[in-house]
Amino acid sequence: GAVVSQHPSRVICKSGTSVKIECRSLDFQATTMFWYRQFPKQSLMLMATSNEGSKATYEQGVEKDKFLINHASLTLSTLTVTSAHPEDSSFYICSAFRGGHYEQYFGPGTRLTVT
Amino acid sequence: EDKVVQSPLSLVVHEGDTVTLNCSYEVTNFRSLLWYKQEKKAPTFLFMLTSSGIEKKSGRLSSILDKKELFSILNITATQTGDSAIYLCAVPDGSGTSYGKLTFGQGTILTVHP
Repeated sequence: GAVVSQHPSRVICKSGTSVKIECRSLDFQATTMFWYRQFPKQSLMLMATSNEGSKATYEQGVEKDKFLINHASLTLSTLTVTSAHPEDSSFYICSAFRGGHYEQYFGPGTRLTVT
Repeated sequence: EDKVVQSPLSLVVHEGDTVTLNCSYEVTNFRSLLWYKQEKKAPTFLFMLTSSGIEKKSGRLSSILDKKELFSILNITATQTGDSAIYLCAVPDGSGTSYGKLTFGQGTILTVHP
């Protein structure tokens, strides 16, 4: 199956700092990437849809100025959590979609802890 | 707006038991329904269902779709501790405005005790 990587897998940062998370599709070009957030023992909550070369589409209630998404190429999307606060601590997962298939390929996730 | 509801939200069983997980959905222009298993990291794909009444099977796991009643079930027979996970059901966007977007259910947390 297709491989999607995320980096870093874990990050601890101080309140007020910014953190960048990378999502890469390693063996295919992803027309679209999705960013999810997941709290413990809960389902995935879609934050935004990222299309290469265009602005991301954010879900209702997700602050676009706080969660900056850049999809610079067909294999890379980044999520930057700006001015992070403890309530931003969560598990962030990206997925890549290559079109023509209904299956999304998920990255391994990034555990963010804001102290 | 597409909607996916899973039940039960959590389930605790012993090894060897058989479990049935439920997923009901409401979606404009249904295309498929997907099942995923999530342990500690990313969800892993289990099944994609598109047609009613056709069972998909993989080892001890099987799933079937009822497009008339708008639901799917995931069965796991002879459960093992390694089946402990969150099981997620999802449907792709049916509106045609967000190709590839998935709507997930709340998930079912399955715990299998030895």
